[in-house]
Amino acid sequence: KAGVTQTPRYLIKTRGQQVTLSCSPISGHRSVSWYQQTPGQGLQFLFEYFSETQRNKGNFPGRFSGRQFSNSRSEMNVSTLELGDSALYLCASSLAGGDWDEQFFGPGTRLTVL
Amino acid sequence: AQSVTQLDSQVPVFEEAPVELRCNYSSSVSVYLFWYVQYPNQGLQLLLKYLSGSTLVKGINGFEAEFNKSQTSFHLRKPSVHISDTAEYFCAVSDRGGGTSYGKLTFGQGTILTVHP
Repeated sequence: KAGVTQTPRYLIKTRGQQVTLSCSPISGHRSVSWYQQTPGQGLQFLFEYFSETQRNKGNFPGRFSGRQFSNSRSEMNVSTLELGDSALYLCASSLAGGDWDEQFFGPGTRLTVL
Repeated sequence: AQSVTQLDSQVPVFEEAPVELRCNYSSSVSVYLFWYVQYPNQGLQLLLKYLSGSTLVKGINGFEAEFNKSQTSFHLRKPSVHISDTAEYFCAVSDRGGGTSYGKLTFGQGTILTVHP
């Protein structure tokens, strides 16, 4: 069974630009969560989608948004990039996003903002 | 609100020695507990999880963890480590029940385990 895939793996942008990251979950998984990982703040939860609906959201500004398609693939978008947005962005999929569900993580997208 | 504290940011150890990575959590509700491992340039992989039942949980690669409710701890142990265990380890919790927990894990800051030959 193929794992969670994320594209692109690496991305370099400049301040003020916007970026879209993509995540394809494991087949059959309907929940996709996104996390930001930085050396200073560690792993922080961005949001979760299930059946094309955002069910949960972390404490990030509105510049961070996402969506999920009918095939469960998900994208996250960051607008008006700031230097502090440089991070590894991880997506994780699970069967239903329940609190007991194992989340399977992708390899991440490394975003560098110059 | 939840919080997870991993008491050691770095743990160096020699090969074949035992190791313990410490994790304490704080939550106003009951939680599920997880340990994940992250190898360089990779995503996170689940080592083990505590949902209910026996407080001693066994996971992959010879790791185990013990849930201590009174001390709100979930320490990870391995009796004999290998060079290949060198990685960063994360303790995480999720709230039991309720919409605020959908798809959300709260992570500790991570412990870098370095195994020396």
